[in-house]
Amino acid sequence: EVQLVESGGGLVQPGGSLRISCAASGFTVSNTYMSWVRQAPGKGLEWVSVIYSGGNTYYADSVKGRFTISRHNSKNTLYLQMNSLRADDTAVYYCARRSPSSGWPDVAFDIWGQGTMVAVSS
Amino acid sequence: QSVLTQPPSVSGAPGQRVTISCTGSSSNIGAGYAVHWYQQLPGTAPKLLIYVNTNRPSGVPDRFSGSKSGTSASLAITGLQAEDEADYYCQSYDSSLSASVFGIGTKVTVL
Repeated sequence: EVQLVESGGGLVQPGGSLRISCAASGFTVSNTYMSWVRQAPGKGLEWVSVIYSGGNTYYADSVKGRFTISRHNSKNTLYLQMNSLRADDTAVYYCARRSPSSGWPDVAFDIWGQGTMVAVSS
Repeated sequence: QSVLTQPPSVSGAPGQRVTISCTGSSSNIGAGYAVHWYQQLPGTAPKLLIYVNTNRPSGVPDRFSGSKSGTSASLAITGLQAEDEADYYCQSYDSSLSASVFGIGTKVTVL
């Protein structure tokens, strides 16, 4: 079964760091385009970051310089390292896979994880 | 503030047809980038509903259809059902931002 399972969310103080994970099954993370998308409480979806199969990474302006996307190929797992966290980073973070049926760069996301909640508060 | 504009809410009676608009600009939809639509039921992850403007993934009922013209796109739901009550998001790519972008979302209420 093709599946994504996020973990690692929690409560962190402003200025702190957290790493969240996304374990994939049924496909190979390193062979495709993977993204993180977040959703603040009661708000809409916001694209955060992407890692291409070739390893190139890109970030939304709101997180550039603070967040780092990476993957561990042998664990088939995607990560998001979040540093210098702020209150407005509070959100459910989803990992998502590019649909093979979509183009580039206007990708669609066909597989989503269940999300992991990150709360930034003192 | 999103670069893709959607109405905050639409409603309809069971069996009716509702449409959700998604208005962009020359740097996203108008530039020819594809539009995708997602359905998010309360407390769940988004689900891909329409990809590349008009295509339905396997398992999505044909009551859902997408279209695109110029700088806008639309999602239509015909034969509205109670289970369609959810938030719907459009998504595309913006060349000015070099990023995927989502609309603010539209809440569909079944009266």
